[in-house]
Amino acid sequence: GQNIDQPTEMTATEGAIVQINCTYQTSGFNGLFWYQQHAGEAPTFLSYNVLDGLEEKGRFSSFLSRSKGYSYLLLKELQMKDSASYLCAVRSYGNNRLAFGKGNQVVVIP
Amino acid sequence: NAGVMQNPRHLVRRRGQEARLRCSPMKGHSHVYWYRQLPEEGLKFMVYLQKENIIDESGMPKERFSAEFPKEGPSILRIQQVVRGDSAAYFCASSPDQTSGRGQGEQFFGPGTRLTVL
Repeated sequence: GQNIDQPTEMTATEGAIVQINCTYQTSGFNGLFWYQQHAGEAPTFLSYNVLDGLEEKGRFSSFLSRSKGYSYLLLKELQMKDSASYLCAVRSYGNNRLAFGKGNQVVVIP
Repeated sequence: NAGVMQNPRHLVRRRGQEARLRCSPMKGHSHVYWYRQLPEEGLKFMVYLQKENIIDESGMPKERFSAEFPKEGPSILRIQQVVRGDSAAYFCASSPDQTSGRGQGEQFFGPGTRLTVL
């Protein structure tokens, strides 16, 4: 089975940096995905990691350590529109389904 | 390129009725996934289909739920004899054939159908 754990909520100030953590347990790890979901909307793809290390994409970066079963998403220069839920999802070998954590709600304040 | 389309966006049913949710994948995508999201919960996988085939239905409740992805037309998630506990947001996602070499297999989500059972 798979177990994905994320903290539930955090508040940060516009312009700041926030780190969202995700720990997972799975057999046959085959990639970790981060999605952003605004209330009432579809999740949108942010980043993908399958090898250890940091992937940078503009203001967003994602890090993976497979040996620790750990990933984080780093959001820099926070903007009000970044207020959303951030979902971590893990894929395993042998199937394409994604196992999602509950998501971490980020609230950006002025 | 239009994204994943789902309809209806909102669906209200009384207990015991049937709910039919439709999903048209992105153009060029041959893989369709259905997920359910309960209030305050994460997305839970239900079923994975390719054209005319169910590949993985390990997340589907054993009764009342079925899914299909016919050769022509959208994928359908069907819930028979709905109960209040079926009230949730149902999301469809699609991905391209990974053997095409495009992307890393990320799934693109539709806007969801919010089902309310009265």
